[in-house]
Amino acid sequence: KAGVTQTPRYLIKTRGQQVTLSCSPISGHRSVSWYQQTPGQGLQFLFEYFSETQRNKGNFPGRFSGRQFSNSRSEMNVSTLELGDSALYLCASSQDRGPGNTIYFGEGSWLTVV
Amino acid sequence: DAKTTQPNSMESNEEEPVHLPCNHSTISGTDYIHWYRQLPSQGPEYVIHGLTSNVNNRMASLAIAEDRKSSTLILHRATLRDAAVYYCIGTSGTYKYIFGTGTRLKVLA
Repeated sequence: KAGVTQTPRYLIKTRGQQVTLSCSPISGHRSVSWYQQTPGQGLQFLFEYFSETQRNKGNFPGRFSGRQFSNSRSEMNVSTLELGDSALYLCASSQDRGPGNTIYFGEGSWLTVV
Repeated sequence: DAKTTQPNSMESNEEEPVHLPCNHSTISGTDYIHWYRQLPSQGPEYVIHGLTSNVNNRMASLAIAEDRKSSTLILHRATLRDAAVYYCIGTSGTYKYIFGTGTRLKVLA
């Protein structure tokens, strides 16, 4: 079974630009969540989607947004990029949302903002 | 979700067992304990999870205290490939995992 696939793996953007990151969950998984990892803040939850609806959101500004498609694939978008947005963005998927379910992470997308 | 506390770093010799502790004193009755590890430049990898009783899988064992306020991840024979940051997380669902700083495990050859 293929794992969580994230594209692109690496990208460099300029301040003020926007970026879209893509995530394909494990086949059959309906929940997708996104995390940001930086050396200073560690792993932080961004948002979670289930059945094309955002169910939970972390403490990030509105420049960070996402969506989920009917095939469970997900994208996240960051607009008006700032230097501090440079990070590893991780997508994770799980079959369902309830207790006992486990999320599985992709390899991440490395974003550098210059 | 439960807040967890782990030592910042630990060392182990290769081929010896490693016991990685985690305190989760605020855990609720429905919170599962999940363990992940993260190798450099990779996403976190699922290791094991449990609710009340001890759990074993091909990667590790999880020992959960009777009062569920702490748990221990046991790697039976550490290898160099086990060098990673290990995170324990208490959660009642798959959303909003709260990662702490984890334990950086160093394995000595």
